[in-house]
Amino acid sequence: QKEVEQDPGPLSVPEGAIVSLNCTYSNSAFQYFMWYRQYSRKGPELLMYTYSSGNKEDGRFTAQVDKSSKYISLFIRDSQPSDSATYLCAAQGAQKLVFGQGTRLTINP
Amino acid sequence: DVKVTQSSRYLVKRTGEKVFLECVQDMDHENMFWYRQDPGLGLRLIYFSYDVKMKEKGDIPEGYSVSREKKERFSLILESASTNQTSMYLCASRDSGSYSHQPQHFGDGTRLSIL
Repeated sequence: QKEVEQDPGPLSVPEGAIVSLNCTYSNSAFQYFMWYRQYSRKGPELLMYTYSSGNKEDGRFTAQVDKSSKYISLFIRDSQPSDSATYLCAAQGAQKLVFGQGTRLTINP
Repeated sequence: DVKVTQSSRYLVKRTGEKVFLECVQDMDHENMFWYRQDPGLGLRLIYFSYDVKMKEKGDIPEGYSVSREKKERFSLILESASTNQTSMYLCASRDSGSYSHQPQHFGDGTRLSIL
């Protein structure tokens, strides 16, 4: 079993929709969680960074961590075609960052 | 903003060649990382370095080595390139010490093809 599981999609939604991206993790020692966005032929860029349980909001993006169920989510409100990318969740272990496989998202105009 | 620069965006080499991938960061970060990214497998850690002249094996170090002679530069070496090393290689850096929770910042990757 992978330490961080993420549905690879692809996921396709119309412009303006609310997008929900999700990951589960198995290691209860994880406390720091990140979401990266990766455009085609580019490196991952840090989108959101959260500690422990709760919500963090940044503009149209909300990251949510539920440590009791080992579930992390990223919500995108009023989605735009420019949000089309692969989204990677990650959890910080003792020495290294553990990534999910990435979800490929397309926002259709 | 953190800037992580990888020397080549695309590289084509032949089997058996020794290949050098270079990465430079401009934020005085102690920690640097090399990953490879393959469809269906996600990002896998090859090697990382906590500081100058220090290195640690990641999850898939076989066939690779690294060099960190200066703080800002971290090199990945394919000792004798093979076709199964065709991949996207990503370099990352991070602030602070060995067990820091600071997020990693990535370069734009080198797409390496081994023929």
